[in-house]
Amino acid sequence: DIQMTQSPSSLSASVGDRVTITCRASQSISRYVNWYQQKPGKAPKLLVYAASSLQSGVPSRFSGSGSGTDFTLTISNLQPEDFATYYCQQSFNTPWTFGQGTKVEIK
Amino acid sequence: EVQLVQSGAEVKKPGESLKISCTASGYSFPTYWIAWVRQMPGKGLEWMGIISPADSDTKYSPSFQGQVTISADKSISTAYLQWSGLQASDTAMYYCARLRDVVVVVSASSGAFDVWGQGTTVTVSS
Repeated sequence: DIQMTQSPSSLSASVGDRVTITCRASQSISRYVNWYQQKPGKAPKLLVYAASSLQSGVPSRFSGSGSGTDFTLTISNLQPEDFATYYCQQSFNTPWTFGQGTKVEIK
Repeated sequence: EVQLVQSGAEVKKPGESLKISCTASGYSFPTYWIAWVRQMPGKGLEWMGIISPADSDTKYSPSFQGQVTISADKSISTAYLQWSGLQASDTAMYYCARLRDVVVVVSASSGAFDVWGQGTTVTVSS
């Protein structure tokens, strides 16, 4: 199975900050990475697919980049509603696997 | 509105069987693959498997192969996840999710899930 390692596991940030979350794959996966946001007690929400394509309806302050083994999700101008846990997911090979999550907390 | 509505919370004893459901509305159910994702208490997301409602072609994660059965009934726009003998370790939240892309084979897709059910909590305890 392809392992997805996110860093950091958690971070504290303030409203208005720029936040970057990294995801590293255990092998090259081209651009087969998707990013999700999950709030407590809620289902995950798709933010970015195919490494850098913004899902319809997602604010433009979210962006994704990367290819091969290293990927990033960036949130510019962090908003109060962005405090949540973020997951990357690889879809290069089944079984599709997720990173362990990055919790973004309020500083 | 495109949505997936899951069946309600379940409390079961070890060894019991269970079938939970995910009913789609607002789109053509046979057109999009449906996946199941597990989230154990306080933990991350795990992809269990995926089914094409059009022809019931199913792919399982090796971690879940033989442990669960994924099925679908396109006549009632519903996908299912079932267990024949629950264990305490099956205690988790289970989500169904729609594959974003319209594809015949999942390997041709982005693998992204754009619509999610609200989740079904399964508790297994003696």
